[in-house]
Amino acid sequence: AQKVTQAQTEISVVEKEDVTLDCVYETRDTTYYLFWYKQPPSGELVFLIRRNSFDEQNEISGRYSWNFQKSTSSFNFTITASQVVDSAVYFCALSEMGAQKLVFGQGTRLTINP
Amino acid sequence: DVKVTQSSRYLVKRTGEKVFLECVQDMDHENMFWYRQDPGLGLRLIYFSYDVKMKEKGDIPEGYSVSREKKERFSLILESASTNQTSMYLCASSQGGGFYGYTFGSGTRLTVV
Repeated sequence: AQKVTQAQTEISVVEKEDVTLDCVYETRDTTYYLFWYKQPPSGELVFLIRRNSFDEQNEISGRYSWNFQKSTSSFNFTITASQVVDSAVYFCALSEMGAQKLVFGQGTRLTINP
Repeated sequence: DVKVTQSSRYLVKRTGEKVFLECVQDMDHENMFWYRQDPGLGLRLIYFSYDVKMKEKGDIPEGYSVSREKKERFSLILESASTNQTSMYLCASSQGGGFYGYTFGSGTRLTVV
């Protein structure tokens, strides 16, 4: 069975600090896809990144970076020099190849204080 | 800009009422989904549809039904609303399998009193 765990329910940091959001997943498939979504206060989940199981290269996009490690079944998300606009709920999700749906983690509420 | 539109941002309904939550997408996507979001529980799948008039139960279908008469529209129905259905409801669509990811609507915050 597939499962995604985000153990951090809430994180609060001061602006300009770096912060890492953890995501651990379980799947029996060798081919799968991992996602991160951001949900700002407006409510709509916004796609951030998709990574397939064969691509373990880390990804960097501006202040955002993602560390995918199959050995530990983790797909962690780091925000460097955090800003107040980064405050949101962040969800990690998994889709096995051939599946119609995503399985989401519980979400991490990130608060960046000025 | 491609969109998933949910008809209401906030709704307040009385216990026992029949409630319709509407979702429309303009991307010609095959798959549509209804999720419920509650603090500490993340997103839980209620129902999804992979074609017109087709539907599949998700993880928590009890107390809900759905309708998909047209490709672009997917409705969630609460036959007799109860207070434990007070929640944020999110609609999403996808062009095919889960590996495409989803496009989400802005959500409907439903309060049942």
